[in-house]
Amino acid sequence: GAVVSQHPSWVICKSGTSVKIECRSLDFQATTMFWYRQFPKQSLMLMATSNEGSKATYEQGVEKDKFLINHASLTLSTLTVTSAHPEDSSFYICSARTTGQGANSYNEQFFGPGTRLTVL
Amino acid sequence: QKEVEQNSGPLSVPEGAIASLNCTYSDRGSQSFFWYRQYSGKSPELIMSIYSNGDKEDGRFTAQLNKASQYVSLLIRDSQPSDSATYLCAVKTGGGNKLTFGTGTQLKVEL
Repeated sequence: GAVVSQHPSWVICKSGTSVKIECRSLDFQATTMFWYRQFPKQSLMLMATSNEGSKATYEQGVEKDKFLINHASLTLSTLTVTSAHPEDSSFYICSARTTGQGANSYNEQFFGPGTRLTVL
Repeated sequence: QKEVEQNSGPLSVPEGAIASLNCTYSDRGSQSFFWYRQYSGKSPELIMSIYSNGDKEDGRFTAQLNKASQYVSLLIRDSQPSDSATYLCAVKTGGGNKLTFGTGTQLKVEL
């Protein structure tokens, strides 16, 4: 259980274009998903918290107009990097928080496999 | 002071030995603690969660929590080369849903 998928796993795009990344919880419903970015040899940096049916909450320093987040259903959140530039090249990882009872009652976060973005 | 601190390593242990990974946190009100393993080029994988003082064992892994000392550790018994990875400590603070991650400790298990 608690499987999270991401698509695409990698993408190469030209500077100025937009890229959409999908994050899906496959076997559970996730009212909250998180988007992280990780540069080489650095730790995870939380970009935003995605809440189903409401606006995302962005971390300080993250441009909400550049990184558009939509959480339209309990199993899908999308991150769109608009007008991408080479400095946006990074490893983007989503996670989904479990809710409910039993073994998953402690709101653990499970990560998707990540999307490696390269902007030329 | 960083919110979650880990020694970056690398920590090198011989195969079969016990690897001990440590983490300290600054928010005394933290309630939930997690250990993630991240292989190079991959995303983090949850391996342990702990919420109460004391030890929690799962196979070769034991998480230890001491809230008074604001300290959480992960022991890996019978270390294998496949355990070589970066181990991330994460702490859920306050009433929110966010996790604060340490910078990770790189573990190398040598043959």
